[in-house]
Amino acid sequence: GQQVMQIPQYQHVQEGEDFTTYCNSSTTLSNIQWYKQRPGGHPVFLIQLVKSGEVKKQKRLTFQFGEAKKNSSLHITATQTTDVGTYFCAGSNYGGSQGNLIFGKGTKLSVKP
Amino acid sequence: GEEVAQTPKHLVRGEGQKAKLYCAPIKGHSYVFWYQQVLKNEFKFLISFQNENVFDETGMPKERFSAKCLPNSPCSLEIQATKLEDSAVYFCASSQSSRGNSPLHFGNGTRLTVT
Repeated sequence: GQQVMQIPQYQHVQEGEDFTTYCNSSTTLSNIQWYKQRPGGHPVFLIQLVKSGEVKKQKRLTFQFGEAKKNSSLHITATQTTDVGTYFCAGSNYGGSQGNLIFGKGTKLSVKP
Repeated sequence: GEEVAQTPKHLVRGEGQKAKLYCAPIKGHSYVFWYQQVLKNEFKFLISFQNENVFDETGMPKERFSAKCLPNSPCSLEIQATKLEDSAVYFCASSQSSRGNSPLHFGNGTRLTVT
């Protein structure tokens, strides 16, 4: 079945360093969403990417969707302690047997002040 | 309401006991999803509903798990004869679409501990 792989599983950075998490799908995606889950909290929607090669920015966060719509990345510039949490990508394939989102296993980000 | 409301926040059950979790989706959202998150953070899809109809139940362990979304009532997820491996946080989410093209709004989750 469809799988969404996410790496790295963990990332420890010094405050001010950059951070990137990568998502790869075994099949072409219709769209990809990114969520952030703070420790002890629930996932919160960040953004959705739909178009091939799409790039979207939210302040220090940059999201990219690959040309083949099989991979995506989230890059955070100059991390802050408020960025701590687990970042999940979730891909959807409208033509698949499961129309819902398939979540990656997440990248847990810790930021040392 | 404007938030997905899940109850209870914590639930402790002895192995073999029944557990029932509740979820009130955001008003106006037609789709409800249940996910299980275990200690390693991985989200496992369980079931989704379109209003009161099951939309996709491919993730449900059918032997012991059941779910309902009835009109004018919170949705529910029930686990008969709980096992230790059922210990997890169960998240409910609602959205305007089932096709993965609109955001999921998650509740705060129910932490189930089976002892």
